This record gives sequence, structure tokens and C-alpha cells, in this order.
Amino acid sequence: RKEVEQDPGPFNVPEGATVAFNCTYSNSASQSFFWYRQDCRKEPKLLMSVYSSGNEDGRFTAQLNRASQYISLLIRDSKLSDSATYLCVVDFNKFYFGSGTKLNVKP
Amino acid sequence: GAGVSQSPSNKVTEKGKDVELRCDPISGHTALYWYRQSLGQGLEFLIYFQGNSAPDKSGLPSDRFSAERTGGSVSTLTIQRTQQEDSAVYLCASSLARSTDTQYFGPGTRLTVL
Repeated sequence: RKEVEQDPGPFNVPEGATVAFNCTYSNSASQSFFWYRQDCRKEPKLLMSVYSSGNEDGRFTAQLNRASQYISLLIRDSKLSDSATYLCVVDFNKFYFGSGTKLNVKP
Repeated sequence: GAGVSQSPSNKVTEKGKDVELRCDPISGHTALYWYRQSLGQGLEFLIYFQGNSAPDKSGLPSDRFSAERTGGSVSTLTIQRTQQEDSAVYLCASSLARSTDTQYFGPGTRLTVL
């Protein structure tokens, strides 16, 4: 089993839609959790950290469920510029990256 | 300020040749990571340097791969006797320390082995 698993997508949604991604992790002792965004043929960039209490940054909300070992990312009011691959990252001694979920926001 | 830089941006080599990829981390960052990303795939951890500690080499796929970090700053990833399956984008990242610190990625080196 992979340390971090994500639905590869693609998720094709219209502008303005709300979309949610989940990511599961295998190691219950994992310490830190992140979502990174990667545009096509570009390097990954941090989108947001994920805290136990959940956190929100504008249209983006991240949540952590330790009992079920998953984290989620919710994007509200999708924009064309949100089109990218979203990488789930879990830290247990080192960073484990998921394969990413591809999002296509259509006009 | 300056971000993580990597060179070369693209490298085409013939099977069996050795290649060296360079990473300049953000000044003051003590942690440095190398990853590999094949087309359409996620990031594969290769090696991690933290300060003066022994590096975590657990992700290196074979003994053809090695890396060093001189003076706690610049790092070089060396691939000996390259194979076609080594073709990928090699990404370097640095962070202040580790764990909860954000990793900042360089633009990567696209390696093509013919």
C-alpha cells in the first residue's frame, strides 16, 4: 500500500463549482500534512498546511481526520486559474507525496 | 529574494553516460531534498540532507545514484551509467529545517536518456 493515495482524477468542473478532493495516508503516526499545487510542467508550490482543527484560506478549506486517516481539500467558487494538479503531502520522518489529483475548471 | 535554483534546466544524454545535476538552495535553509517525477506521476523521494547529519538515502533507487552537499549549501546529484528509465524531472527543494517547514522547490532538471 502506498503511504499516500489520491484519486488521480481528472475532475472536470465548471467555473463557480465547489469541488472536494480526499487523500488517505497509511501511517497513523504522521505528523504534518500539506496540500501543494503543481501547474503543468512547473514545480510544486505550497497551497496550505492542514491543521487538526481544520483551516481556511479564502476559497480553500483543508481538513484532517486522524481517526480515518484522510485529509481533504475543498475549493469553493472554482476559477479557471485553479486548474492544476493538487498534491497531498504527509510528513512522517520525511515527506511523502501523493500522485496528485488533476483539476480542470471549464468556462 | 532568490529561490531554489537548479542547473541545467534540461539535460539530454546517451545511455551509459554519467550526469551531474546541481541544486542551490535558499540561503539559510538547512534542509535539502531531492525528488524525481516521471511524466504524469507523483514525486518520488530520493535523498534528504539536514544540516551536518548523515543524509537519509533511503529513496535512492540504485547504487548508480549518489548525492553530496558541500558546506551545507550546494548539492549535486550524480547518476552514473544512465539508463532510459532514469528519464524524469529531478526536483530539488529546501526548507528552513524540516517537519512542519514549507519546502520550496526549484524549477527542476528535465533529464532525457536516449
